[in-house]
Amino acid sequence: DAKTTQPTSMDCAEGRAANLPCNHSTISGNEYVYWYRQIHSQGPQYIIHGLKNNETNEMASLIITEDRKSSTLILPHATLRDTAVYYCIVRVARTGANNLFFGTGTRLTVIP
Amino acid sequence: DAGVIQSPRHEVTEMGQEVTLRCKPISGHDYLFWYRQTMMRGLELLIYFNNNVPIDDSGMPEDRFSAKMPNASFSTLKIQPSEPRDSAVYFCASSLVSANGYTFGSGTRLTVV
Repeated sequence: DAKTTQPTSMDCAEGRAANLPCNHSTISGNEYVYWYRQIHSQGPQYIIHGLKNNETNEMASLIITEDRKSSTLILPHATLRDTAVYYCIVRVARTGANNLFFGTGTRLTVIP
Repeated sequence: DAGVIQSPRHEVTEMGQEVTLRCKPISGHDYLFWYRQTMMRGLELLIYFNNNVPIDDSGMPEDRFSAKMPNASFSTLKIQPSEPRDSAVYFCASSLVSANGYTFGSGTRLTVV
């Protein structure tokens, strides 16, 4: 599975949009981009994933560049409860290879 | 849906003792994963099962660690004998083959003194 690069930490003002970047320049054509987050003392939580099209759900939006070498997770209106470590993961979503490898992630701090 | 249930939440044991961590996956999920998280190494995949069968245990650190899944609703991770360097938070997760993502439990914080 391809490797990802994320900033170590970011701050965001409460109520503003949080934009978390991720570089995955070696991504393969059949690899998806997944985002998880981990709030302190809890297990990781799935947020969103995509292949090439932009995706949106109730939690966030995922913007993937046309060349698929980078992506941005957008939390439209960050709250204090969004303070967490955010992991960008690239992996093949196929039967029999259903595993997930976490890097170091981005520690997002939402400031009041 | 109660989610993935792990027990105990906290475990403190003495070096050399046997430790058993337990996990109940979400009903109907085909895959079960055991992860370990430490400050130094982050989240590491230890082993995962598909339909109760171990698929990849290459992440299990050594023979002191073993995992079983006797049925679709229960899995254990055992450490025997335990050592202080095994202190970590152990997470269990489950997923469907076609699921969007994994669902993680709340973890077991293990301290070996």
